[in-house]
Amino acid sequence: NAGVTQTPKFQVLKTGQSMTLQCAQDMNHNSMYWYRQDPGMGLRLIYYSASEGTTDKGEVPNGYNVSRLNKREFSLRLESAAPSQTSVYFCASSSPGFTEAFFGQGTRLTVV
Amino acid sequence: AQSVSQHNHHVILSEAASLELGCNYSYGGTVNLFWYVQYPGQHLQLLLKYFSGDPLVKGIKGFEAEFIKSKFSFNLRKPSVQWSDTAEYFCAVNAPNTGFQKLVFGTGTRLLVSP
Repeated sequence: NAGVTQTPKFQVLKTGQSMTLQCAQDMNHNSMYWYRQDPGMGLRLIYYSASEGTTDKGEVPNGYNVSRLNKREFSLRLESAAPSQTSVYFCASSSPGFTEAFFGQGTRLTVV
Repeated sequence: AQSVSQHNHHVILSEAASLELGCNYSYGGTVNLFWYVQYPGQHLQLLLKYFSGDPLVKGIKGFEAEFIKSKFSFNLRKPSVQWSDTAEYFCAVNAPNTGFQKLVFGTGTRLLVSP
């Protein structure tokens, strides 16, 4: 039982490049989330998906797109990376009724 | 704006000292409250949570938190910290105005415990 798996763990991009962060969970959770973590700012919600086929914006959605491919997978895409998107990205999923959120190991992204 | 506040950004303690980390939220009505811990280089793990019932909640590793509704607070405590408690601690709230679909985090408190 792997929980929430994110790939890649580390990535360096040049400004303007695109990439997709992958996330998969094996806990049969309906809800999935993408957060970014920046020093002194805690975790901020980028996008979330309450169920397969639905996605909604969080606090900081600009510059990102998401796809809920199926119940297991929720990907985050940066179409044109900017240095301001340098951050650690966490994917999470939660059980029905949001009794707890489970987090992936994170992706450390640097945009130069 | 509705938010979660953690006023202590950095805390330094010696081993065996007592710990209290503050957390205040500004959401009205029923809320679900969480404390998460992030050890260096690791992902977030749940320490404890409060949904209803006894306002004093006990979590893993000797941590506890007290929900005080009148103060909109959910402070984290530990009577005697250990070096292994060095980590960043996040308070989080799940609120009805989001349909309980979103977890909103505070900015975190970085705890350093010196041996």
